[in-house]
Amino acid sequence: DTEVTQTPKHLVMGMTNKKSLKCEQHMGHRAMYWYKQKAKKPPELMFVYSYEKLSINESVPSRFSPECPNSSLLNLHLHALQPEDSALYLCASSQAESSYEQYFGPGTRLTVT
Amino acid sequence: QQPVQSPQAVILREGEDAVINCSSSKALYSVHWYRQKHGEAPVFLMILLKGGEQKGHEKISASFNEKKQQSSLYLTASQLSYSGTYFCGTGLYNTDKLIFGTGTRLQVFP
Repeated sequence: DTEVTQTPKHLVMGMTNKKSLKCEQHMGHRAMYWYKQKAKKPPELMFVYSYEKLSINESVPSRFSPECPNSSLLNLHLHALQPEDSALYLCASSQAESSYEQYFGPGTRLTVT
Repeated sequence: QQPVQSPQAVILREGEDAVINCSSSKALYSVHWYRQKHGEAPVFLMILLKGGEQKGHEKISASFNEKKQQSSLYLTASQLSYSGTYFCGTGLYNTDKLIFGTGTRLQVFP
């Protein structure tokens, strides 16, 4: 199974809402990533978890809060977002935080109103 | 610093060949190639590492010129399924994060 799943597929939220994005993989990968992708742009790294510990935080605003409850799950908690945060949020995993291929999930398309 | 890809866009007929380039201003340890179709997730194509190691799909070929900090992806005998946006991702050392390039949009027509 080489699948990374993400829920929900689409999310519309107001600027005062709190919501969470969920990502799951069952490939035994020990590195998991959150990326943000705007239309016609490349994915931009937000966070990296390695062995369930936060390894990289690319100076992401605190309104985005990642969580890695176990080696298969990755969450992204959202609070008080801005309209410019509307984007496709991609989760990915790889065997380790190293030069291994990353497997991406289908993404959550987020719209902030 | 974000790697630069060229060309920005390519239009092909089925069966034609294309080369997509990825250039960095810094010495690289790894170059990854991914393809993303509209509305879908990026899909891994190939990794090229400093020292010559490569890993990827059999039907995909690529090169990595370490001295020039450049990589090229070779798409031969293109098929309709090759359409999509191609991104390179570069890392400066083994555990470095990937920085994705500017992207190349490829369209293949019958």
